[in-house]
Amino acid sequence: AQKITQTQPGMFVQEKEAVTLDCTYDTSDPSYGLFWYKQPSSGEMIFLIYQGSYDQQNATEGRYSLNFQKARKSANLVISASQLGDSAMYFCAMRENQAGTALIFGKGTTLSVSS
Amino acid sequence: ETGVTQTPRHLVMGMTNKKSLKCEQHLGHNAMYWYKQSAKKPLELMFVYNFKEQTENNSVPSRFSPECPNSSHLFLHLHTLQPEDSALYLCASSQDGDIAGGISNTQYFGPGTRLTVL
Repeated sequence: AQKITQTQPGMFVQEKEAVTLDCTYDTSDPSYGLFWYKQPSSGEMIFLIYQGSYDQQNATEGRYSLNFQKARKSANLVISASQLGDSAMYFCAMRENQAGTALIFGKGTTLSVSS
Repeated sequence: ETGVTQTPRHLVMGMTNKKSLKCEQHLGHNAMYWYKQSAKKPLELMFVYNFKEQTENNSVPSRFSPECPNSSHLFLHLHTLQPEDSALYLCASSQDGDIAGGISNTQYFGPGTRLTVL
């Protein structure tokens, strides 16, 4: 079974609109962390936002927020006021406390922002 | 400015060549990682070094040989590769503490080396 599932291979949004990128995860570890990364065409993976399994509030970082629904095991990324520079691949990743330092990545979602 | 640098950025090699990828982190972290990113596949963890000691080897073929001389530098030595090894190779670093999964354990990535094996 996949540990991280991103069901949207591609998403299209217009500038200034908000967009939600879906991520569901599967773990039996009560302690884990969820990460979102952005990968532009240049290849570098850029860290965006983090949510810990024990965090009571949804994480926010500027225009990025994470809609964390623990019971549903979902950690969707919300990008508000999309910009052309947001066009990239977005990856959801999880790190389980019992599994050491490894990050498990989803397959990613390609976001295209148009003017 | 990126805290993790990788060289070369692009590499084309034949199957009989020997080459090395280099990664350097300027973040004072104690753990470093090699990932492989093939087309249409999730990132795959290859190796993990913590305090210069290899702590994970994710069933990687022996034609890939990692080296971590200190906590700031990580190499991936390549020899007799196959065309299916063509991929983007990403290096990352993190500061590992007592609680895994915390934000302090965030992995920061370099720009990657795009490898083509002919």
